[in-house]
Amino acid sequence: EIVLTQSPGTLSLSPGERATLSCRASQSVSRSYLAWYQQKPGQAPRLLIYGASSRATGIPDRFSGSGSGTDFTLTISRLEPEDLAVYYCQQYDNSPQTFGQGTKVEIK
Amino acid sequence: EVQLLESGGGLVQPGGSLRLSCAASGFTVNNYVMSWVRQAPGKGLEWASIISAGGDTYYADSVKGRFTISRDNSKNTLYLQMNSLRSEDTAVYYCARRGDSSGWYYAYWGQGTVVTVSS
Repeated sequence: EIVLTQSPGTLSLSPGERATLSCRASQSVSRSYLAWYQQKPGQAPRLLIYGASSRATGIPDRFSGSGSGTDFTLTISRLEPEDLAVYYCQQYDNSPQTFGQGTKVEIK
Repeated sequence: EVQLLESGGGLVQPGGSLRLSCAASGFTVNNYVMSWVRQAPGKGLEWASIISAGGDTYYADSVKGRFTISRDNSKNTLYLQMNSLRSEDTAVYYCARRGDSSGWYYAYWGQGTVVTVSS
């Protein structure tokens, strides 16, 4: 099973700042089958990024994904107050699919 | 518009059973990979079960032998039969549909249904 480790656990930034979230896999996600989800308080997860770098429909371009192999990054270029959420990565390259433990983004 | 609406959650005693339903609209369930993903209180996401478009089923080790995923094409509904429930099964259960690109990521999610296993 591929273990995904997300860092940092919590990120506290001001509106307009750049947020960089990391997702590291215990073994290579060889087809870049990695997705990112946003979960706002009390809501279901929402797909942001799939295939490591493809933005889902309707997702603002301030969200971007990058990386390959074992190291992946979600970048929020200019934080907005509504970006307050927990962000999860998911690998679906290897069975069983697994999720990271999440990074909480707080807005100062 | 794709919509997923879960129901069937509730309070059940350890060892009991529950059947969750996920009514789909805007697409046909038997044409897509569908999953159940759960989230224990204050915890992260955990994949529980998948049914492929071809009807193949897969389960996380934590639920294998106790949970059964199925679908009813006439009702366009996904199910999760949960037996021998344990306290650690307490969670919000989401049904999710894969996206249109390669691989089993989830582009659409329901709002979730709460399952509480307690005496």
